[in-house]
Amino acid sequence: EAQVTQNPRYLITVTGKKLTVTCSQNMNHEYMSWYRQDPGLGLRQIYYSMNVEVTDKGDVPEGYKVSRKEKRNFPLILESPSPNQTSLYFCASSPLGDSGNTIYFGEGSWLTVV
Amino acid sequence: GQQLNQSPQSMFIQEGEDVSMNCTSSSIFNTWLWYKQDPGEGPVLLIALYKAGELTSNGRLTAQFGITRKDSFLNISASIPSDVGIYFCAGGGRTDSWGKFQFGAGTQVVVTP
Repeated sequence: EAQVTQNPRYLITVTGKKLTVTCSQNMNHEYMSWYRQDPGLGLRQIYYSMNVEVTDKGDVPEGYKVSRKEKRNFPLILESPSPNQTSLYFCASSPLGDSGNTIYFGEGSWLTVV
Repeated sequence: GQQLNQSPQSMFIQEGEDVSMNCTSSSIFNTWLWYKQDPGEGPVLLIALYKAGELTSNGRLTAQFGITRKDSFLNISASIPSDVGIYFCAGGGRTDSWGKFQFGAGTQVVVTP
């Protein structure tokens, strides 16, 4: 089954404690991206990657890091989480090309920073 | 970054009625996508639009890619209770930033029997 898998789905952590949210896709997509969703603000792009070892900032990259060492994985790293990073996070992937400009989302990761 | 302007913010409709929502932007996009999100789940793609003026249907859903490339609308005909959810538009595929997608804030649809 084609899917985007995120872990953990739910996490409560404390300010300053580094954490990583993993994302994996089994569709051999070149493009992967991370979004955060907050009430009234919709989905905002954090980082995206067009291929292995290629990453770029989205609209709200501050406080986040990513890496793309393998095509299937795109982890999101919070080096020193703060309460304003409490949010619902989505990983997504997409094939490149004119006919493939469609995004497939994971189920989301609820993160609470206290 | 600038988000898309999606309206209305919410809609309360009776079963059987039609629903219409739209997204506008000051930027030109090469792709418009429409998603539905149920509580606790990720957005699910409903319709993808790739050409200006394109009109595409998916069952009771119809979406159009605006001629100016700066807007798109989604219609749901003869609504049913399972249409309840949040609907999002997304614009992307800009030639100067292919990988960057922008989303509307969503339209909350509530369907009453």
